[in-house]
Amino acid sequence: ETGVTQTPRHLVMGMTNKKSLKCEQHLGHNAMYWYKQSAKKPLELMFVYSLEERVENNSVPSRFSPECPNSSHLFLHLHTLQPEDSALYLCASSQEWGGVNYGYTFGSGTRLTVV
Amino acid sequence: RKEVEQDPGPFNVPEGATVAFNCTYSNSASQSFFWYRQDCRKEPKLLMSVYSSGNEDGRFTAQLNRASQYISLLIRDSKLSDSATYLCVVNFGNEKLTFGTGTRLTIIP
Repeated sequence: ETGVTQTPRHLVMGMTNKKSLKCEQHLGHNAMYWYKQSAKKPLELMFVYSLEERVENNSVPSRFSPECPNSSHLFLHLHTLQPEDSALYLCASSQEWGGVNYGYTFGSGTRLTVV
Repeated sequence: RKEVEQDPGPFNVPEGATVAFNCTYSNSASQSFFWYRQDCRKEPKLLMSVYSSGNEDGRFTAQLNRASQYISLLIRDSKLSDSATYLCVVNFGNEKLTFGTGTRLTIIP
């Protein structure tokens, strides 16, 4: 496996369900991210983990809960979502060194539909 | 003012033409710069990093102007497969990259 792998690729869930998105990076990067992209809108940063520590939480509702157990894995736990949360959820990883970010590698995303 | 600003387009360009995009950024202390490409319903993919001296990769040329705080992307001899959204991306010296809203390009046969 190479690059950044996200599962599942597609997810349909009801508003009362609990589900988790998984991301795994095989690049030895030290930072991981969750982004949301709604239809015809720009990327919205949700969470940033650097060296397994959450360094940014961009005013995301508590129904989204991230988890970073180690530098290679990132989860996004979902519960009691709303239909407006339907979007493409993208995981990315990067190498950050001395305050310089050397560019992201994105996973292929999870297309989430909340019904 | 947005941190990274792009003309959203759309740009509709005939096949074989040359097209250029500009992007302006707000922070003169910015560290690194990139162009990403995003196809419809797919993830963004790195197209080019942008270096101070400018750099070229085949039909693509990227330029950085720190004094005026803009970066540009030039595509020569455009192909149908170049149709995509092009994202201007800047690192302001922290862990994250800041994305522009993207410029949508359609190459017309």
